[in-house]
Amino acid sequence: ETGVTQSPTHLIKTRGQQVTLRCSSQSGHNTVSWYQQALGQGPQFIFQYYREEENGRGNFPPRFSGLQFPNYSSELNVNALELDDSALYLCASRMGLSTSYEQYFGPGTRLTVT
Amino acid sequence: SQQGEEDPQALSIQEGENATMNCSYKTSINNLQWYRQNSGRGLVHLILIRSNEREKHSGRLRVTLDTSKKSSSLLITASRAADTASYFCATDHNNAGNMLTFGGGTRLMVKP
Repeated sequence: ETGVTQSPTHLIKTRGQQVTLRCSSQSGHNTVSWYQQALGQGPQFIFQYYREEENGRGNFPPRFSGLQFPNYSSELNVNALELDDSALYLCASRMGLSTSYEQYFGPGTRLTVT
Repeated sequence: SQQGEEDPQALSIQEGENATMNCSYKTSINNLQWYRQNSGRGLVHLILIRSNEREKHSGRLRVTLDTSKKSSSLLITASRAADTASYFCATDHNNAGNMLTFGGGTRLMVKP
């Protein structure tokens, strides 16, 4: 167990709906990254937050947005869900912005869009 | 886009054998990391190798990095059934803003 938790574990939504996924980072970690992992593929970087500010974004449209709170927990929001948004969503935390710090992943949220 | 590409995509070996996975990337890096994932769960960090390092060891794991060829390899010695998982390389590219780019992974099956 890494100390990074995610909720919910599984979620089923309908196309066009909105969803919020939550991540509780490991104690002392100020950087949270979010990834989308489609079945059979590697994780794709969505964005990351450092001390409550977005710091880096991958090739995802603006309907993917996020927040980081003062306790460094984080949310991923996806609006206007599409079928291709079905995936495992992973968050990871580390104690600093540099990728030299070890990154700890949560167990993921499995999102199914029908 | 995924800059790291693992090879092979799938590997099946017997318990006790060694498993070698390779990762190639396209642009210069600050560091390269290997992760393991069991059955669609969260990833577990295995080892990090910096661009100025050529080899690192951790238990039964050995990672090499060849920056001239833009490639890395992960060797698991004396494999066990519990090593069955997907293995991913992730790269931190220069000027990429502290982001990690993952490859598509190698699916390793170790038969008892």
